[in-house]
Amino acid sequence: GESVGLHLPTLSVQEGDNSIINCAYSNSASDYFIWYKQESGKGPQFIIDIRSNMDKRQGQRVTVLLNKTVKHLSLQIAATQPGDSAVYFCAENGSGGSNYKLTFGKGTLLTVNP
Amino acid sequence: ETGVTQSPTHLIKTRGQQVTLRCSSQSGHNTVSWYQQALGQGPQFIFQYYREEENGRGNFPPRFSGLQFPNYSSELNVNALELDDSALYLCASSPDPDGGQFFGPGTRLTVL
Repeated sequence: GESVGLHLPTLSVQEGDNSIINCAYSNSASDYFIWYKQESGKGPQFIIDIRSNMDKRQGQRVTVLLNKTVKHLSLQIAATQPGDSAVYFCAENGSGGSNYKLTFGKGTLLTVNP
Repeated sequence: ETGVTQSPTHLIKTRGQQVTLRCSSQSGHNTVSWYQQALGQGPQFIFQYYREEENGRGNFPPRFSGLQFPNYSSELNVNALELDDSALYLCASSPDPDGGQFFGPGTRLTVL
């Protein structure tokens, strides 16, 4: 079956450091991946996505890396700020070819210490 | 903000009752997906509506049903509520079924 898991449930970093959040997926048919940020009491906020024909994609202060060989996804946040503190989820489309059904992992809680 | 709105913000029901949750999609989006998020877990896909028809469904029983209206807003209905239905219900809109999904703030449902 499809599953998305995260290596670390919590991550604590100092303000200004870079953060790396990891995610493993099991469905080799997945071809679309998204990272979401969820702050307490709010819905998930889209951060960045990547399709399986790419291995890297950059946004503003964020980079997503995709390693299809080992089915691993990571989110790198540069110069982490207190406002980055939240739960981060990776999600995959799971079935390949259809993005409508996203499968989420449990999430990683990122805490940024001032 | 995503422009996706949900109502109500919070809701308390008792076991066996029925509930209707509402979602207004972002302007220009014709697709709405619903997710259930239990405390401490990631969201789980319930179903998606595209052009007023169900366009895919997750592993949820038939007592979870939905509607989409001509203006692309949507409702999630849950009948015969159970205690385990207590969760945050999230609606996400997208410009088409394969587009990136943008979430609303959610409705927190508590079943007593």
